[in-house]
Amino acid sequence: AQSVTQLDSQVPVFEEAPVELRCNYSSSVSVYLFWYVQYPNQGLQLLLKYLSGSTLVESINGFEAEFNKSQTSFHLRKPSVHISDTAEYFCAVTLGGLRGGYNKLIFGAGTRLAVHP
Amino acid sequence: DTGVSQDPRHKITKRGQNVTFRCDPISEHNRLYWYRQTLGQGPEFLTYFQNEAQLEKSRLLSDRFSAERPKGSFSTLEIQRTEQGDSAMYLCASSSGLAGVGLYNEQFFGPGTRLTVL
Repeated sequence: AQSVTQLDSQVPVFEEAPVELRCNYSSSVSVYLFWYVQYPNQGLQLLLKYLSGSTLVESINGFEAEFNKSQTSFHLRKPSVHISDTAEYFCAVTLGGLRGGYNKLIFGAGTRLAVHP
Repeated sequence: DTGVSQDPRHKITKRGQNVTFRCDPISEHNRLYWYRQTLGQGPEFLTYFQNEAQLEKSRLLSDRFSAERPKGSFSTLEIQRTEQGDSAMYLCASSSGLAGVGLYNEQFFGPGTRLTVL
């Protein structure tokens, strides 16, 4: 079975500072990896995903994540955060390969990113 | 708005009452998922439909929970004899099946229904 651990429940940071949100996963088979963002009173939005290929994936708003198979990690980073990045961030996995088409997502507990002026 | 919609957005009920939630997926999405998110936790998978067939159910889905998708379009999630532990955000997501085996069909989430059981 797959599982996801987000090591920090809350990360406070000042505006324009860099940030890293940590995610580790456990799986005996190949997985697809995701970061979702949830703004207050809104639904989950896909931020970025790793399916295959380049281990570094980027989002349109400056976030990036790197898949590290040996360390079973998929940490999310941003070199300079904005107040508007304040939200809950969830790391998730699903089975990759042949079963990747329709499987359920397994989420971590979430990390609340609070950006202060 | 062509996204996933859920109704109601908020529901307050007394313990022991029955409640029903509705999810309307993105048009032509044949795959539909229900998740539950409790305070301070990530969403947890409840059940999955492909068209009208319920193909997977989590053990979190006790006998008091039932989900349907009668015509392969909208879905309902009913909770009978609600308990305080049922208080949570219930999320619905849908995806197409167009990417095929071995590829990923992105799940699009609705805004959720927040249930409070008093």
